[in-house]
Amino acid sequence: AQTVTQSQPEMSVQEAETVTLSCTYDTSESNYYLFWYKQPPSRQMILVIRQEAYKQQNATENRFSVNFQKAAKSFSLKISDSQLGDTAMYFCAFIVRGNKLTFGTGTQLKVEL
Amino acid sequence: DSGVTQTPKHLITATGQRVTLRCSPRSGDLSVYWYQQSLDQGLQFLIQYYNGEERAKGNILERFSAQQFPDLHSELNLSSLELGDSALYFCASSVGGPINEQFFGPGTRLTVL
Repeated sequence: AQTVTQSQPEMSVQEAETVTLSCTYDTSESNYYLFWYKQPPSRQMILVIRQEAYKQQNATENRFSVNFQKAAKSFSLKISDSQLGDTAMYFCAFIVRGNKLTFGTGTQLKVEL
Repeated sequence: DSGVTQTPKHLITATGQRVTLRCSPRSGDLSVYWYQQSLDQGLQFLIQYYNGEERAKGNILERFSAQQFPDLHSELNLSSLELGDSALYFCASSVGGPINEQFFGPGTRLTVL
């Protein structure tokens, strides 16, 4: 079975600080793709960043970066210079062989003044 | 704006009723996915269509069915509704391929009373 675990149900960070959200996953496949999605209060699901499992280099998108540890099956998201607009639920997810997304339970991030 | 549209945004109905949710994928995307987001089950994959054909099935109840039409829009039919079917239903689309980056619509909020 393919599973995603997000062990931090809630986190908070001060504006302009850095925060890291954790994610571990389990799959027997060697080729897959990992994603972080953001769901703000509007409930829209927004893709934040993606990582191909065959790439060793960690993905970066502006203030968002990941720490991908394939052997440990770990895929954490780092948000630098946190902004109020980053307040949202963050979901870790992965895809194997181009089919369904398997999601974690999410981490509610609150950015405070 | 992801380019994926869903109608209606909100739906309130009674137990035992039947409803139809509609999704139009991004221009050029052949794959459509349906996901259910509920408080107790989290985000779950229901079903995928690719160019009119069912491609993959997830935790979709027998009371639920879907189809994708020649113009690539998709409909999710929910019948004999129960209180527990109250959830946010997302449609996502992708062009296909191994990476299969999925873009989500704004969702339909279904409330069963």
